[in-house]
Amino acid sequence: DTGVSQNPRHKITKRGQNVTFRCDPISEHNRLYWYRQTLGQGPEFLTYFQNEAQLEKSRLLSDRFSAERPKGSFSTLEIQRTEQGDSAMYLCASSPDRGRGPEAFFGQGTRLTVV
Amino acid sequence: DQQVKQNSPSLSVQEGRISILNCDYTNSMFDYFLWYKKYPAEGPTFLISISSIKDKNEDGRFTVFLNKSAKHLSLHIVPSQPGDSAVYFCAASRGSQGNLIFGKGTKLSVKP
Repeated sequence: DTGVSQNPRHKITKRGQNVTFRCDPISEHNRLYWYRQTLGQGPEFLTYFQNEAQLEKSRLLSDRFSAERPKGSFSTLEIQRTEQGDSAMYLCASSPDRGRGPEAFFGQGTRLTVV
Repeated sequence: DQQVKQNSPSLSVQEGRISILNCDYTNSMFDYFLWYKKYPAEGPTFLISISSIKDKNEDGRFTVFLNKSAKHLSLHIVPSQPGDSAVYFCAASRGSQGNLIFGKGTKLSVKP
């Protein structure tokens, strides 16, 4: 399967704990995005990488959130001191760099439940 | 303030008939529009897109229409099939970098 891969698929954590999610984009896709989706809402943009450079961060991304893409391939999203409001589906997407519009291809997501 | 609005939370259509899903936007700087389909427990799947320089784009059973003066787009599915039952999201973008702004989605049910 050469689609976007996200791990883990599900994560249950206690409030106050740190969690880290991983995203492996489609190979050779330079752009990588993180989104968050809560019940009844569409995905909301969190942050965007062009290769290893983090080019944009949403105001939704509080200082408890950090994302990295160290070698321009896979990415990690870490949430520190989780809160119940962080419970959501975290989606990763990737897209190629040139000659196309903004069509992004999504992974299956990581569902986070903070108890 | 929602920049992309899908005012119908749900739509039910008979198999073989046309499904029309609507989307409105408020930001005139958007220049690219996309539709995604989402099944439960899966990520959104890209369906079709349209640039603001066009007013129609067609791909098989799916056609997207853009009315820039009304800031409105629609997705037509003809003929509708039970496998089309899913949540459909409209999304918009400024430029090609692709930070997408999504609507809340419309749940389509196609009944046999």
